[in-house]
Amino acid sequence: EIVLTQSPGTLSLSPGERATLSCRASQSVSSSYLAWYQQKPGQAPRLLIYGASSRATGIPDRFSGSGSGTDFTLTISRLEPEDFAVYYCQQYGSSLTFGQGTRLEIK
Amino acid sequence: QVQLVQSGAEVKKPGASVKVSCKASGYTFTGYYMHWVRQAPGQGLEWMGRINPNSGGTNYAQKFQGRVTMTRDTSISTAYMELSRLRSDDTAVYYCARVTVAGTDYWGQGTLVTVSS
Repeated sequence: EIVLTQSPGTLSLSPGERATLSCRASQSVSSSYLAWYQQKPGQAPRLLIYGASSRATGIPDRFSGSGSGTDFTLTISRLEPEDFAVYYCQQYGSSLTFGQGTRLEIK
Repeated sequence: QVQLVQSGAEVKKPGASVKVSCKASGYTFTGYYMHWVRQAPGQGLEWMGRINPNSGGTNYAQKFQGRVTMTRDTSISTAYMELSRLRSDDTAVYYCARVTVAGTDYWGQGTLVTVSS
């Protein structure tokens, strides 16, 4: 079973800054099936990135994904106030595996 | 537009069962696997299993084997998740979600299940 470990657990930044979130897998993950989600309180997760680097429909281009094998990264180039939320990476296919999440908070 | 609409909140006693529904619209229901994911209060996302709406075939996470049953009714484009022998740590928001090669692109609004004596 693949385990996804996200770091850091909490990231404190200011609007306008750049955010870099990491997701490390316990074994190699097909890049085709690595996704990132944003979740705000009381809401379902929202798909941001799929296939490690493809933006989902309607996602602003300040969000980008990269990586392969066991190391993946979500980058938010310039934080907007609405970007402060919890972010999850996910491996998907016949089953789903989620990282434990990174909380992005306002500094 | 694609929508997944779930049934309302439930309060159950320990040992009881709960059945959550997820009505799909805006796409061909039988064309995509439906997964179920839960989230305990303040915690992360946990995969429970999936159903193939076309064949009815299921795959369950090992943790829930023997306690979860996923079914569907294609005539009304609805998927169901039943969890039995409820415990207090089953208190969570339960989501249905459509998974494609482009990720988990649509989620239901979530159903809060509270297990309390």
